[in-house]
Amino acid sequence: KQEVTQIPAALSVPEGENLVLNCSFTDSAIYNLQWFRQDPGKGLTSLLLIQSSQREQTSGRLNASLDKSSGRSTLYIAASQPGDSATYLCAVRGEGSSNTGKLIFGQGTTLQVKP
Amino acid sequence: DAGITQSPRHKVTETGTPVTLRCHQTENHRYMYWYRQDPGHGLRLIHYSYGVKDTDKGEVSDGYSVSRSKTEDFLLTLESATSSQTSVYFCAISESGRVGYEQYFGPGTRLTVT
Repeated sequence: KQEVTQIPAALSVPEGENLVLNCSFTDSAIYNLQWFRQDPGKGLTSLLLIQSSQREQTSGRLNASLDKSSGRSTLYIAASQPGDSATYLCAVRGEGSSNTGKLIFGQGTTLQVKP
Repeated sequence: DAGITQSPRHKVTETGTPVTLRCHQTENHRYMYWYRQDPGHGLRLIHYSYGVKDTDKGEVSDGYSVSRSKTEDFLLTLESATSSQTSVYFCAISESGRVGYEQYFGPGTRLTVT
């Protein structure tokens, strides 16, 4: 059974710092991995999706990497801003669920960026 | 933002009453999902649909049923609500193709069962 873990559960950094959020998964047979952002009381916003054949994806100040064989992904946030404060979730789709799109989620890392 | 709406956005109901939550999309995506989010458990899949009238169970389907009679609507029904079903419910959609089933989420429904 696929399990997804995100460490740390919470992180507080000063504004301007570069930071890395970690996601690990137990079964390397994944179809893709998706990073989301969730603001308090809101829905999830998709940030980046990495296919299993890719090593990384970039969007603005965000860079996500994937090491499928070791079961790890990282989300790098450059020059953090207070507006980046949110909970970040990673989710994986197993190879067997390629025709349904079912996701398995980690429990998230809650980030606070202090001015 | 993907065109996904959920209704109602908040609901308080009593134990034993039936409840139906609605998810509506304007993207014409084939796949639709219902998740629940709880502290300590994260997001868990309840049911999903891979086409009109085609649905299947997720990880935590007991006590829930779904229906999809049109591409744009996916209904989640709690036949007899229990306090353990107090949660935030999210609908999501996805499509195959270039973006490889990237999922987009609705704003959520906060359900309280008293």
